[in-house]
Amino acid sequence: EAQVTQNPRYLITVTGKKLTVTCSQNMNHEYMSWYRQDPGLGLRQIYYSMNVEVTDKGDVPEGYKVSRKEKRNFPLILESPSPNQTSLYFCASTSGPGKPDSGNTIYFGEGSWLTVV
Amino acid sequence: AQKVTQAQTEISVVEKEDVTLDCVYETRDTTYYLFWYKQPPSGELVFLIRRNSFDEQNEISGRYSWNFQKSTSSFNFTITASQVVDSAVYFCALSEAPGYRGANSKLTFGKGITLSVRP
Repeated sequence: EAQVTQNPRYLITVTGKKLTVTCSQNMNHEYMSWYRQDPGLGLRQIYYSMNVEVTDKGDVPEGYKVSRKEKRNFPLILESPSPNQTSLYFCASTSGPGKPDSGNTIYFGEGSWLTVV
Repeated sequence: AQKVTQAQTEISVVEKEDVTLDCVYETRDTTYYLFWYKQPPSGELVFLIRRNSFDEQNEISGRYSWNFQKSTSSFNFTITASQVVDSAVYFCALSEAPGYRGANSKLTFGKGITLSVRP
């Protein structure tokens, strides 16, 4: 079954304590992405990766880091979380640009609710 | 730059009423995809439909229908005979076509419409 798996699903943490939200996909997709969702703002892209070792900033990258050492994994790292990073986070993957038209199916994880106090 | 506008923020209807959720988009691309997602209170994003820019046929799926009009850059979503289980936040989204390397297959989302269906 095609899946994007995020962990943890729920987390309450304190300001400044580094945390990592993991994301893994089992579809051999090249393209992965992170979004955050905030009330009244919809979802906004944080970072994306077009392949292993290829990452780039999205619209709201401040305060976040990512890495893509393996194709299946795309962790989101908050080095020093702050309360304004309290949000619902989604990881997504797709076969991505340059491929024959696969219909551009985008798969989302179930979301990670993060609270920074 | 791409933009998606969902002007309605909250809609409340009584069960069995029809309801239309509006979506207007802006893009300079000639090839693009449009999406609707449903987000129930549990938080996950449920994919409803994808439409590419070359396919202006309207689509119906059960009680759901979508009206894509390129001339007005709109992709509206209608729920017929609404039910309480339709209560959710609905997002319209737009992405570049994936057909060329170097493109960020980013989804640009609208701000969402909260639909409440009362019994």
